[in-house]
Amino acid sequence: DADVTQTPRNRITKTGKRIMLECSQTKGHDRMYWYRQDPGLGLRLIYYSFDVKDINKGEISDGYSVSRQAQAKFSLSLESAIPNQTALYFCATSDFNPRDRDSLLADTQYFGPGTRLTVL
Amino acid sequence: DAKTTQPNSMESNEEEPVHLPCNHSTISGTDYIHWYRQLPSQGPEYVIHGLTSNVNNRMASLAIAEDRKSSTLILHRATLRDAAVYYCILRDWGNTPLVFGKGTRLSVIA
Repeated sequence: DADVTQTPRNRITKTGKRIMLECSQTKGHDRMYWYRQDPGLGLRLIYYSFDVKDINKGEISDGYSVSRQAQAKFSLSLESAIPNQTALYFCATSDFNPRDRDSLLADTQYFGPGTRLTVL
Repeated sequence: DAKTTQPNSMESNEEEPVHLPCNHSTISGTDYIHWYRQLPSQGPEYVIHGLTSNVNNRMASLAIAEDRKSSTLILHRATLRDAAVYYCILRDWGNTPLVFGKGTRLSVIA
């Protein structure tokens, strides 16, 4: 499985603060994603990147920004945190390879352990 | 993305088979059916995917209806470690991100 790490694992912050969540992967995957999960709900996509030069908004990008510093690193920023951004945040990578038919069709996603963010 | 409908929750006894249903009546011809699961306090993990034919792997089996409007994830012998939320997701071949619904919460009773 992909080695996807997220830092920090837990963070408590105050309203109005700027927060950065970091994601690193060692699998060499081009595609990376940021999701948030609220209690009792499924995951919602915030941003995704299909390669270093490609950034796309997801379902709920307002209030967030991202930076793809390298193939292995994808950071999520909350410019001015607000309490309703309190959630569990997951980073993911996927092994899409257009030259490999199996991975092209599966594009299996591998998730990090999550960051629990609390905005007071 | 096409929508899926899953029961909110299901229960199973340990060591028994579990059939998790998913309805996707608006599935398009190029949509693949993916299943992921999320164990407590973890990120989701891939389980299986398929297009038209039934699929088997070491974790589970996927049975797809002939009209593709429904599918069933089959865990052949449920264990306590299979207690998780299971997500059924439709996705066009490899060009769009996964869109998660609320999934089915599976409880396994010892």
